[in-house]
Amino acid sequence: DIQMTQSPSSLSASVGDRVTITCRASQSISSYLNWYQHKPGKAPKLLVYTASSLQSGVPSRFSGSGSGTDFTLTISSLQPEDFATYYCQQSYSTPYTFGQGTKLEIK
Amino acid sequence: QVQLVQSGTEVKKPGASVKVSCKVSGFTLTELSMHWVRQAPGKGLEWMGRFDPKDGKRIYAQKFQGRVTMTEDTSTDTAYMELSSLRSDDTAVYYCASENLDHAMDVWGQGTTVNVSS
Repeated sequence: DIQMTQSPSSLSASVGDRVTITCRASQSISSYLNWYQHKPGKAPKLLVYTASSLQSGVPSRFSGSGSGTDFTLTISSLQPEDFATYYCQQSYSTPYTFGQGTKLEIK
Repeated sequence: QVQLVQSGTEVKKPGASVKVSCKVSGFTLTELSMHWVRQAPGKGLEWMGRFDPKDGKRIYAQKFQGRVTMTEDTSTDTAYMELSSLRSDDTAVYYCASENLDHAMDVWGQGTTVNVSS
């Protein structure tokens, strides 16, 4: 199975900050990397697919980059509604493994 | 536009089975690759498996092999996930999610809480 490792596991930031979350795959996954936002009591929401494609309706302050084994999700200017847990997930091969999550909290 | 609506909360005893449903609207089930993902309390998202109608294959995470069965009723456009031999650590919110052409899970059901307790 492909292991996905996110860092950091948690992050405190302020509204307006620029934030970067990283995700590393245990082997090359080309660009088959997706990012999800998850809030308590809600279903996960797809933000970015194939490493850098923004899902329809997702604000442009979110962006993704990377290929191979190393990927990043960047939020250019944090908004109050962005405080949530973020997960990367590889769809290169089954099982479609998730990272352990990064909890983004208000400073 | 695809919408997924899941069945309601379940309370089960250890050793029992649970069957969660996921009703599709906006598309037909035969057009969708359907995944199941769960989140236990205080834990992250965990992929359980997928059915791909293009090749008819069901792929289950090894952790759930022998306990999970994913089925589909194309007459009602409803997908099902049945988990047997339930344990307390199966207590979780279970989600169905459909896969887009780029292999990402772009539409999710609202989640079904399964509580396993004696």
